[in-house]
Amino acid sequence: GDSVTQTEGLVTLTEGLPVMLNCTYQSTYSPFLFWYVQHLNEAPKLLLKSFTDNKRPEHQGFHATLHKSSSSFHLQKSSAQLSDSALYYCALSYGSSGNKLIFGIGTLLSVKP
Amino acid sequence: AQTIHQWPVAEIKAVGSPLSLGCTIKGKSSPNLYWYWQATGGTLQQLFYSITVGQVESVVQLNLSASRPKDDQFILSTEKLLLSHSGFYLCAWSPRLGENTGQLYFGEGSKLTVL
Repeated sequence: GDSVTQTEGLVTLTEGLPVMLNCTYQSTYSPFLFWYVQHLNEAPKLLLKSFTDNKRPEHQGFHATLHKSSSSFHLQKSSAQLSDSALYYCALSYGSSGNKLIFGIGTLLSVKP
Repeated sequence: AQTIHQWPVAEIKAVGSPLSLGCTIKGKSSPNLYWYWQATGGTLQQLFYSITVGQVESVVQLNLSASRPKDDQFILSTEKLLLSHSGFYLCAWSPRLGENTGQLYFGEGSKLTVL
């Protein structure tokens, strides 16, 4: 069945270092992939979503590239900021109508000074 | 602009008692509506979705039920709470079928503690 895998539960970085959070997926269809961010005591918010063409989505310095050959949608940022500390979910919409969205287990990013 | 409002913000309930959580979406006609559950420290689990009034699809069984009595309202309920129901309940909407790319807009959530 369809699934999303995030291999890191916790990533701790020093401010200014690059960020890479891993996401791989399995899907029967050609899915849309998403990154959602959830700050402490807040609801999840969309950070990025994949495009159907080869464009690379970017937002708030984050970007992700959908690689169909490796079924991956890793999240990257060149320089981490303290305010980036949050829970990051990779998600996949599946089903013929895209009504079902499955989330990975989430990766907690902790950025230290 | 679309707004999504959930109520109550937080509840503390006894095991075996009933529960009703609500969600209202304003500014969007005929949205797809969703209920998600997040255990403390856990991932987001889709519970139900609805594409139209009166129609609700269950994704997982957690002894909960959902209803969509109006186009802009989604209700989550149970007659008997279990300890395992504790967690954070999130309502979300997405553009209707045909426009839907799976992008969700979440409400602020309802925190449920079952004792």
